[in-house]
Amino acid sequence: KNEVEQSPQNLTAQEGEFITINCSYSVGISALHWLQQHPGGGIVSLFMLSSGKKKHGRLIATINIQEKHSSLHITASHPRDSAVYICAVGGADGLTFGKGTHLIIQP
Amino acid sequence: KAGVTQTPRYLIKTRGQQVTLSCSPISGHRSVSWYQQTPGQGLQFLFEYFSETQRNKGNFPGRFSGRQFSNSRSEMNVSTLELGDSALYLCASSLADRYYGYTFGSGTRLTVV
Repeated sequence: KNEVEQSPQNLTAQEGEFITINCSYSVGISALHWLQQHPGGGIVSLFMLSSGKKKHGRLIATINIQEKHSSLHITASHPRDSAVYICAVGGADGLTFGKGTHLIIQP
Repeated sequence: KAGVTQTPRYLIKTRGQQVTLSCSPISGHRSVSWYQQTPGQGLQFLFEYFSETQRNKGNFPGRFSGRQFSNSRSEMNVSTLELGDSALYLCASSLADRYYGYTFGSGTRLTVV
């Protein structure tokens, strides 16, 4: 069974700061997903990665398959980025999720 | 293009009752998976269906079941509800399998009293 560890659990930062959220997993995977969840529950899929790096707007996600590690970066953070960010890894037995990182960006 | 639709959005049930939740995937998506989210356990995988067949099942008791219809719509059922079943239940659809991305619905918040 895959174990997914995220850090930090909570992060408060000022608007404009560069944000990094980390995710480590224990077993080889088919793909890694970064998800965003706002209050109210809806989940948005931000990235699906199997190698390398992806960028979408101010968000960048990287993955190192050998080290079983991924990072999500937010550049020029904004209060609307405040949300819970969840790392999930895909395998033969479905998605396994990290506990999430609760991010608050203060104006 | 319509997203993943879950109904109902909110539900209150009494302990011992049963409940059925519905999920309509994005048109053309053939895989539907279900997840339970609680404050204590976080997000956990329940099961996945593809072309009306259960492909994977998480570590949940037999009270949790599901099915998928020929139009890819899926339902999950929880029988003999317990207080601990109170949770946000999310479904996600995918084109085919885990090598494609997932699109999540807004969830059904179930409260068992």
